[in-house]
Amino acid sequence: KAGVTQTPRYLIKTRGQQVTLSCSPISGHRSVSWYQQTPGQGLQFLFEYFSETQRNKGNFPGRFSGRQFSNSRSEMNVSTLELGDSALYLCASSLVYGPSTDTQYFGPGTRLTVL
Amino acid sequence: DQQVKQNSPSLRVQEGRISILNCDYTNSMFDYFLWYKKYPAEGPTFLISISSIKDKNEDGRFTVFLNKSAKHLSLHIVPSQPGDSAVYFCAASVRNYGGSQGNLIFGKGTKLSVKP
Repeated sequence: KAGVTQTPRYLIKTRGQQVTLSCSPISGHRSVSWYQQTPGQGLQFLFEYFSETQRNKGNFPGRFSGRQFSNSRSEMNVSTLELGDSALYLCASSLVYGPSTDTQYFGPGTRLTVL
Repeated sequence: DQQVKQNSPSLRVQEGRISILNCDYTNSMFDYFLWYKKYPAEGPTFLISISSIKDKNEDGRFTVFLNKSAKHLSLHIVPSQPGDSAVYFCAASVRNYGGSQGNLIFGKGTKLSVKP
């Protein structure tokens, strides 16, 4: 079974631009979460989607947004990029949403560099 | 404020010996805990988890211990192997109040180096 895939793997943008990252979950998984990893802050939760609806959101500004499609694929968008947005963006998928002991499985990440 | 803390940024262990990675948390609402391993340029890989109703969970060479009263968990790797060298993240979530499993709170990681 294929794992979580993320595209692109690497991206270089300049300040003020916007960027869209894509995530395809493991086949059959319906919940997708996004995380940002930086050296200073570690791994921080961005948001979670299930059935095309955002279910949970972390403490990030409104420049960070996402969506989920009917096939469970998800995209996240960052507008008006800032230097501090340079990070590894990780997507994780899990089978279901809600109280369960299901585990999240992570993709390889997209390395975003903002110049 | 950090809700999940891994106070040791690094740990060096000899091959064949035990590796013990520690994690402390502050939020008593956390009821599910996980350990992930991460190699450079890859996403975190799930290792082992434990629910708050248990105090121990084993999977092969990996054992996680949970001490709820101390708000402390640890990951034991026995015996340690050079291939275990990676960054290990502790994570926690609240699951029993209708919340999702999406909101994992991670520690900042401990870099384990296992020397031959």
